[in-house]
Amino acid sequence: AQKVTQAQTEISVVEKEDVTLDCVYETRDTTYYLFWYKQPPSGELVFLIRRNSFDEQNEISGRYSWNFQKSTSSFNFTITASQVVDSAVYFCALSEALNTGGFKTIFGAGTRLFVKA
Amino acid sequence: EAGVAQSPRYKIIEKRQSVAFWCNPISGHATLYWYQQILGQGPKLLIQFQNNGVVDDSQLPKDRFSAERLKGVDSTLKIQPAKLEDSAVYLCASSAGQWHEQYFGPGTRLTVT
Repeated sequence: AQKVTQAQTEISVVEKEDVTLDCVYETRDTTYYLFWYKQPPSGELVFLIRRNSFDEQNEISGRYSWNFQKSTSSFNFTITASQVVDSAVYFCALSEALNTGGFKTIFGAGTRLFVKA
Repeated sequence: EAGVAQSPRYKIIEKRQSVAFWCNPISGHATLYWYQQILGQGPKLLIQFQNNGVVDDSQLPKDRFSAERLKGVDSTLKIQPAKLEDSAVYLCASSAGQWHEQYFGPGTRLTVT
């Protein structure tokens, strides 16, 4: 069954601290896609990154980095030197193939990050 | 490039009334999604279109919810009749393909009283 677990409901850090948001997924497929989205207080979800199941290379984009490990079914997200503007809810999502030929996406419950000045 | 447009942004109705939401996706995006996001939860997929065909509607409460995407462009989601538990933000998203990243609209906040 398709499932995404974000065990951390809320995290609070002080500005400039590093923080890691955990994501664990379950899927029966060998071909799937993983995503991270950010939902700031304004409410509109913003795409951050996509990874396919065949690419386990870690990725760094500025202060953001992602660690994809198939062996542990995890796709964790680290923010280095956090800033107040990073305060938001972060969602991990999984897209998996349907029997009908399409793909279906499910989202985790989200992790709310508070960065205090 | 224009983003995903949704209207209205807010809607307050009484239970048993009807309501409709409209979404215009990013130009050229073949896949369109409607999600329900209840406060404090992640988005839950209601229905997914590929052009004007339905890919998945397994979580759409079909006794009261309906959606259409005529001509494979914009889409409407309707609730008839509304229940108190339908209070949520309804998000529309679009993507170039089903495995591609999704771009979300600002959402419609529905309150059912």
